[in-house]
Amino acid sequence: DGGITQSPKYLFRKEGQNVTLSCEQNLNHDAMYWYRQDPGQGLRLIYYSQIVNDFQKGDIAEGYSVSREKKESFPLTVTSAQKNPTAFYLCASRDSGRAQTQYFGPGTRLLVL
Amino acid sequence: GEDVEQSLFLSVREGDSSVINCTYTDSSSTYLYWYKQEPGAGLQLLTYIFSNMDMKQDQRLTVLLNKKDKHLSLRIADTQTGDSAIYFCAESKNAGNNRKLIWGLGTSLAVNP
Repeated sequence: DGGITQSPKYLFRKEGQNVTLSCEQNLNHDAMYWYRQDPGQGLRLIYYSQIVNDFQKGDIAEGYSVSREKKESFPLTVTSAQKNPTAFYLCASRDSGRAQTQYFGPGTRLLVL
Repeated sequence: GEDVEQSLFLSVREGDSSVINCTYTDSSSTYLYWYKQEPGAGLQLLTYIFSNMDMKQDQRLTVLLNKKDKHLSLRIADTQTGDSAIYFCAESKNAGNNRKLIWGLGTSLAVNP
């Protein structure tokens, strides 16, 4: 059963704390993405990775970091430098077919205590 | 999301057809996509259309593309209460070696019994 999993579903962050959101895919896709979704603002790209050991900043990378040590995994760390982290975070992977379609995980909702 | 525009809300009666509209700005876009998002969930790919096509039909879904006016629409026939969700339009744009998706802000579809 192929797909993208994200964990946890809900995550609580205290002031000054770094937290890591997990994203795993078994679709054998090379490219993976992290988006942030706020009400009324659609999806904004945080980071993306086209291949293992490579990643690029998206439109709103400040306060976030990523790694891509394995093809299947693309974890996102929300650092203490991100002053407004409350949002819904979506991970996606992209197939290599002609349409290069992105497929999404179920999301993680991050809340600040 | 300023490059892709959608109306924010649409309300229809169960059994009627729904038409969700989208305008985009980049005439070089190769693919255009429709995604559906139910409350608290990730995005689900509904369909996509290649830019040299005018129409694509998939069961209850019909996509129309007017490339001259840069206008895309999604028609849902016989709309059901389970179709209530947010619908996102996205265009594919080349960005260096990557293909980036530009997202609309989403149209919230309410289906009334």
